[in-house]
Amino acid sequence: LAKTTQPISMDSYEGQEVNITCSHNNIATNDYITWYQQFPSQGPRFIIQGYKTKVTNEVASLFIPADRKSSTLSLPRVSLSDTAVYYCLVGFGNEKLTFGTGTRLTIIP
Amino acid sequence: KAGVTQTPRYLIKTRGQQVTLSCSPISGHRSVSWYQQTPGQGLQFLFEYFSETQRNKGNFPGRFSGRQFSNSRSEMNVSTLELGDSALYLCASSLVAGALYEQYFGPGTRLTVT
Repeated sequence: LAKTTQPISMDSYEGQEVNITCSHNNIATNDYITWYQQFPSQGPRFIIQGYKTKVTNEVASLFIPADRKSSTLSLPRVSLSDTAVYYCLVGFGNEKLTFGTGTRLTIIP
Repeated sequence: KAGVTQTPRYLIKTRGQQVTLSCSPISGHRSVSWYQQTPGQGLQFLFEYFSETQRNKGNFPGRFSGRQFSNSRSEMNVSTLELGDSALYLCASSLVAGALYEQYFGPGTRLTVT
């Protein structure tokens, strides 16, 4: 049973803010939400992780509502180099990382 | 600090052969995980090692095995190769085992089985 559901693909224009939403209805109390980015022929790269409310770092923000059944990755002012696959994962502690199908984001010039 | 390294980067094997892939984690990292990535199945977890012990295992046949050495370097082995084993094999390391901790991925080994 998949733990997360994301849109398969999204397109956006350069300079816009992009929001990718992930659904995780069965998230457990101890689970954290983590996002990874993957470019073609490369391994995934950690972007951001959070438990609740809002987390921000130098590349993205992560919004998590109070019920934690979904989360939104926000990429400000995207550029062509942000074209990649974005994965949302939930898990905790000793659990293995389970990647879903991810969202293929294409930035249009 | 050097990143995760994987060798070889590319490999071509014939059905029925076996293959060994190597992964050197970031210095100080004690957890190493392996993933298989294919266009059809996406990223699938193979197994995770921490302090030379396998902690988690994915749903792969016994032909897929791994081990970790005392210096945290890890190898995975695939015996009796099948065409469907053609994939990008990714290794990731982290300070501590588990989903909660940031995983640092290597560039992968592209295996082609003919």
